[in-house]
Amino acid sequence: GNSVTQMEGPVTLSEEAFLTINCTYTATGYPSLFWYVQYPGEGLQLLLKATKADDKGSNKGFEATYRKETTSFHLEKGSVQVSDSAVYFCALYGGSQGNLIFGKGTKLSVKP
Amino acid sequence: DAGVIQSPRHEVTEMGQEVTLRCKPISGHDYLFWYRQTMMRGLELLIYFNNNVPIDDSGMPEDRFSAKMPNASFSTLKIQPSEPRDSAVYFCASSFDSNQPQHFGDGTRLSIL
Repeated sequence: GNSVTQMEGPVTLSEEAFLTINCTYTATGYPSLFWYVQYPGEGLQLLLKATKADDKGSNKGFEATYRKETTSFHLEKGSVQVSDSAVYFCALYGGSQGNLIFGKGTKLSVKP
Repeated sequence: DAGVIQSPRHEVTEMGQEVTLRCKPISGHDYLFWYRQTMMRGLELLIYFNNNVPIDDSGMPEDRFSAKMPNASFSTLKIQPSEPRDSAVYFCASSFDSNQPQHFGDGTRLSIL
């Protein structure tokens, strides 16, 4: 069945460091892919999405490219800020299953 | 725009009591999802509805859990009787269509003593 695997956390970075959070997926066909972010005490918010191969989703300085050949959707940001500290979830649309399938989440802590 | 609204935000109750969590989805969204989040198990989908009809409840852990959606603007998740292992944050989410982004509420933090 469809599944999402993302890197284990926590990830701790200094402000202005480069961020990569790896995400790979297993799916039939061409599922839509998403990154969600959860700030402390809040629900998940959509960060970015991509709906087909080679699409690049971007928002708030974050980017992720849909790579069909490597079945990956890695999240990147060139210079993180303290305010980016949160838990990040990779997800894919399950197609006929009609729901999103989430990874386990990666906690990011950015130190000043 | 009003987002997904959940109530209560926090609930503390004793084991054996009935707990009812409430959710108001975004108007016009046809899909509604209930999730549970814990440190140990992460984010788990419990059940989801399409046009008020339950589509997949395979994530509902036990018969103690039940969910209803009597109309397009309201859903409940009920636990009866509650147990300490039900302690978690419960999220409701809604979406316009199944492959569209889900919008999450702020969750209900449930503690069963």
